[in-house]
Amino acid sequence: IQLTQSPSFLSASVGDRVTITCRASQGISSYLAWYQQKPGKAPKLLIYAASTLQSGVPSRFSGSGSGTEFTLTISSLQPEDFASYYCQQLSGYPYTFGQGTKLEIK
Amino acid sequence: EVQLVESGGGLVKPGGSVRLSCAAPGSTYYMNWVRQAPGKGLEWVSSISSGGTYMYYADSVKGRFTISRDTARNSVYLQMSSLRAEDTAVYYCAREQQRVYNWFDSWGEGTLVIVSS
Repeated sequence: IQLTQSPSFLSASVGDRVTITCRASQGISSYLAWYQQKPGKAPKLLIYAASTLQSGVPSRFSGSGSGTEFTLTISSLQPEDFASYYCQQLSGYPYTFGQGTKLEIK
Repeated sequence: EVQLVESGGGLVKPGGSVRLSCAAPGSTYYMNWVRQAPGKGLEWVSSISSGGTYMYYADSVKGRFTISRDTARNSVYLQMSSLRAEDTAVYYCAREQQRVYNWFDSWGEGTLVIVSS
């Protein structure tokens, strides 16, 4: 199952609302997770089951979607949110990740 | 979340072998290896079931890599053989939560494998 994220790069300002899209090549129900990764660090789980916020993750992060189209939204960007974001499908093996979205400061 | 610690990375010659280890408390979880080549995205590599019965591999490593676990030692391993330059990456181990849905909730800091002559 291929995952296509868009955009690959996103330039935004503190306080902006941003949305990242992840499209699956076939239906995956809600078997989708979102991760944040900062340079030199391990990925960090943000959202699982497409829309469930991981404990400890700020509520400005939200996920939605089911089937083949999913979104990750950050309602008001904070300085610590500038990072790369990946979606992952866990509907079946091989698990796959999207190619990533790098969120940069404008 | 739990603390996972990988070890065993380093410089390896093409065609060589190396074994990665992951100290992973708790034997009731599926465990996974995920890699990231320099400047690239994440690539799932392999999974092993909680009891070690079921193993799954990415096509890119099938037949060359073997995942295993030792529940008594709370450890997961990735035996990597016939290594190629394109296997150069940071290798992360990740714990998989399985409920109605599943996800990777804990990750190690990674261990770097460089395949070069």
